[in-house]
Amino acid sequence: SQKIEQNSEALNIQEGKTATLTCNYTNYSPAYLQWYRQDPGRGPVFLLLIRENEKEKRKERLKVTFDTTLKQSLFHITASQPADSATYLCALLRAMEYGNKLVFGAGTILRVKS
Amino acid sequence: DAMVIQNPRYQVTQFGKPVTLSCSQTLNHNVMYWYQQKSSQAPKLLFHYYDKDFNNEADTPDNFQSRRPNTSFCFLDIRSPGLGDAAMYLCATSRGYRETNEQFFGPGTRLTVL
Repeated sequence: SQKIEQNSEALNIQEGKTATLTCNYTNYSPAYLQWYRQDPGRGPVFLLLIRENEKEKRKERLKVTFDTTLKQSLFHITASQPADSATYLCALLRAMEYGNKLVFGAGTILRVKS
Repeated sequence: DAMVIQNPRYQVTQFGKPVTLSCSQTLNHNVMYWYQQKSSQAPKLLFHYYDKDFNNEADTPDNFQSRRPNTSFCFLDIRSPGLGDAAMYLCATSRGYRETNEQFFGPGTRLTVL
């Protein structure tokens, strides 16, 4: 069956450093991958989308890579700030008979300490 | 601001007592989704509507039903809540099924079953 794996252990880093979060998937070949941010007790918020033919996508301090050979996406936050502390979810697009749906990973908690 | 609104934010019900959660959107999006998210787990898609067309996920229990009376509103009915149904329920919308369509989430309803 299809699996999406994100680090279940929280990532603790110091302010100003680069945070790198990993999303691995198996038994699937998504054409698109999305990253979302979720704060405690809130709904996820869309951050970035990357296509299978794009190696890298950037938006301000965020960078996402997508390696379809390794079946892995990396999500980087450069110059991290305490306000970046949240859970980050990756989501793969899965084609269905009726259209497309997103399948989410469980997310990785990021804690940025000042 | 265009948004997705969920009411109530917190709902307490008794074991077996029917409960309805509501979602409304001002984005005029075609698709409305309902997800269940338990602590430290991935959001799990229960079902969704594309306009009036209802699509149920294969593993969604019959205990969960949904209604979409118009474009703006969608309801989640839990007919006989069990203790295992305690979770955050997230409503989301998207413009359509296009691969690049991001999903917009509401703040969620936290359901407690006593």
